[in-house]
Amino acid sequence: DTAVSQTPKYLVTQMGNDKSIKCEQNLGHDTMYWYKQDSKKFLKIMFSYNNKELIINETVPNRFSPKSPDKAHLNLHINSLELGDSAVYFCASSRGLEWQETQYFGPGTRLLVL
Amino acid sequence: GDSVTQMEGPVTLSEEAFLTINCTYTATGYPSLFWYVQYPGEGLQLLLKATKADDKGSNKGFEATYRKETTSFHLEKGSVQVSDSAVYFCALGGSNYKLTFGKGTLLTVNP
Repeated sequence: DTAVSQTPKYLVTQMGNDKSIKCEQNLGHDTMYWYKQDSKKFLKIMFSYNNKELIINETVPNRFSPKSPDKAHLNLHINSLELGDSAVYFCASSRGLEWQETQYFGPGTRLLVL
Repeated sequence: GDSVTQMEGPVTLSEEAFLTINCTYTATGYPSLFWYVQYPGEGLQLLLKATKADDKGSNKGFEATYRKETTSFHLEKGSVQVSDSAVYFCALGGSNYKLTFGKGTLLTVNP
C-alpha cells in the first residue's frame, strides 16, 4: 500500500505551458506539504496545508498555486512554466503541525521544462 | 531564523568502515531533530529522530544524539554497507511549523 503517492512521476513540457501535479495520502494525516528539490539536492518547503487550510506559503512565485480539495489530497498547479522550474517536487504528509511529527514523503515528480 | 549545517560531501567509504556525518543547528526554543535518507530515485524517508536534549535516536545501526550544549546531531554508524549508499539529510522541526533541511550529504559505500 502506497502511503503518499504522486502523479505523474515524470513530466517533460515546454516553457510557457501550464501543468498540474497530484498528491494523495492514505495515512489519515491532517497536514500535507509541497517541497522543491533542486539539481544539487537542496530541499526547500513551498507550501503546507493543515485540514485544507494554507499554513505555510514560502517565497514562491504566484505562478504556483496549491489546492487541497480534501485532507487526503494536495495538488500543485503551475502556470507559465519557466526553465528554472525544472526540479523534483515532493509531496509529504504528517499527522499534524507539531514540530516533532515525522513527515512521510512521496516518490517525487521529476519536472523538466524545455 | 532556524538553520541546519551539515558536512558537505560526497563521502566515499569502504564497506565496514565507520561513518560520521556532522550536523549542527541554530534554532530558537527546543526543536526536534531528524535524519532523513534518500535512496537513488526515491523520496525521503525518516531514518531516526530525537525530540529533546540528550535523546538518542537509532535505527538500522545508525545513531545520533541530540546535544543541546554543542547544538549538534551527528549521525554515526559503526560499519557501513553498500546498501547504505544514499543522500542523508539532517533536519530541524521548529516552532514555525516546518522542517528546515541541511544541504544533504551523498554517501557512497564501495564493496
